[in-house]
Amino acid sequence: QKEVEQNSGPLSVPEGAIASLNCTYSDRGSQSFFWYRQYSGKSPELIMFIYSNGDKEDGRFTAQLNKASQYVSLLIRDSQPSDSATYLCAVMDSSYKLIFGSGTRLLVRP
Amino acid sequence: EAGVAQSPRYKIIEKRQSVAFWCNPISGHATLYWYQQILGQGPKLLIQFQNNGVVDDSQLPKDRFSAERLKGVDSTLKIQPAKLEDSAVYLCASSLDLFFFSGNTIYFGEGSWLTVV
Repeated sequence: QKEVEQNSGPLSVPEGAIASLNCTYSDRGSQSFFWYRQYSGKSPELIMFIYSNGDKEDGRFTAQLNKASQYVSLLIRDSQPSDSATYLCAVMDSSYKLIFGSGTRLLVRP
Repeated sequence: EAGVAQSPRYKIIEKRQSVAFWCNPISGHATLYWYQQILGQGPKLLIQFQNNGVVDDSQLPKDRFSAERLKGVDSTLKIQPAKLEDSAVYLCASSLDLFFFSGNTIYFGEGSWLTVV
């Protein structure tokens, strides 16, 4: 069973701090990696995607991928209370299915 | 560009009753997905269509769940008979194509919330 693992949290950080969210996956053949944000009662929305090892930055968000360690992370700089949500890691596995983790709940304290 | 449309948004039924959810994907999107999201969990893929053909339905409980996409556009997901553990949000999503490369990604509808009592 291919799996995507995330710490359920909550991860609590003060406003302005860096929030670090982590994700591991079991299928070594996975090729594409996504981070979605889901506010309570809403559907997931895409924040970032990454395909290659290394870092990818988009505004306050940085995705990091290490395929050797089967590890993906999302850094949120200058965290804002509006960033409080559940962050879902999703992985396209070797059979081209998009598999989601259970999500990490982030709380940004004003 | 219109997003993924779903209806109904909310449904409460008794166990052993039936329910159907409808989805209209983004125009031009060939791939359509139905995900089940139970409270506190990530979305779980139930079935994936490419045009009007099934790509993957390995996690669809076929004794009670069925789905179709007859003309390669709209889709319907049916549950009959419903069980208490079917209480969840049913998310329909679509993407341009099967493969998530070059920025192709999946777009979700607002979801259909099902409560089975």
